[in-house]
Amino acid sequence: EVQVVESGGGLVQPGGSLRLSCEASGFTFRSYWMHWVRQAPGKGLVWVSRIKSDGSSTNYADSVKGRFTISRDNAKNTLYLQMNSLRAEDTAVYYCARGFGYNVDYWGQGILVTVSS
Amino acid sequence: QSALTQPASVSGSPGQSITISCTGTSSDVGGYNYVSWFQHHPGKAPKLMIYEVSNRPSGVPDRFSGSKSGNTASLTISGLQTEDEADYFCSSYSGSSTLAVVFGGGTKLTVL
Repeated sequence: EVQVVESGGGLVQPGGSLRLSCEASGFTFRSYWMHWVRQAPGKGLVWVSRIKSDGSSTNYADSVKGRFTISRDNAKNTLYLQMNSLRAEDTAVYYCARGFGYNVDYWGQGILVTVSS
Repeated sequence: QSALTQPASVSGSPGQSITISCTGTSSDVGGYNYVSWFQHHPGKAPKLMIYEVSNRPSGVPDRFSGSKSGNTASLTISGLQTEDEADYFCSSYSGSSTLAVVFGGGTKLTVL
């Protein structure tokens, strides 16, 4: 069974940092692009970032470019999102999703990140 | 404001059919056949119901179908069942240089 499970969320002060992890199982992790998507309270889903299967290529939404870094460890079947210089508007549920063609297919349950003083 | 526009809510009675629309632009929905639909029960992982406009993953009932016309994609659920009550959102590949995938704001389906 394909599963992705996010962890590492929590409360952080503005300007602070947090690293999210996403542990994958049930599929050959190293063969898939992986994505991060977020949903702010009361808002719709917004794509954040993606990384190629071998980690050689990454893309970011303009809103996080220069502050967030996506990475992966294929030996550990784990995806990461390093979030620096966090702002109140980064408060959201963050989802890890597996790439599927030009879209995504399997998602995790999401992890809440709250940026507040 | 989500990139793709969906109605906030739809409702139907058991056994009836409903359709949820998802309107984008020629840079996403209208330009590519990479529209997906997801079922989302709050607090759980979203589940893929339709991919590439009209394809059903294994295990998804054939009561769920997808289509597209111009910049608008649609999800139709026929023979509504109470367990279909959930949020549904669409997604599409985006030709924009800034976003790889864009999403709809979600539609709450109530089965009366």
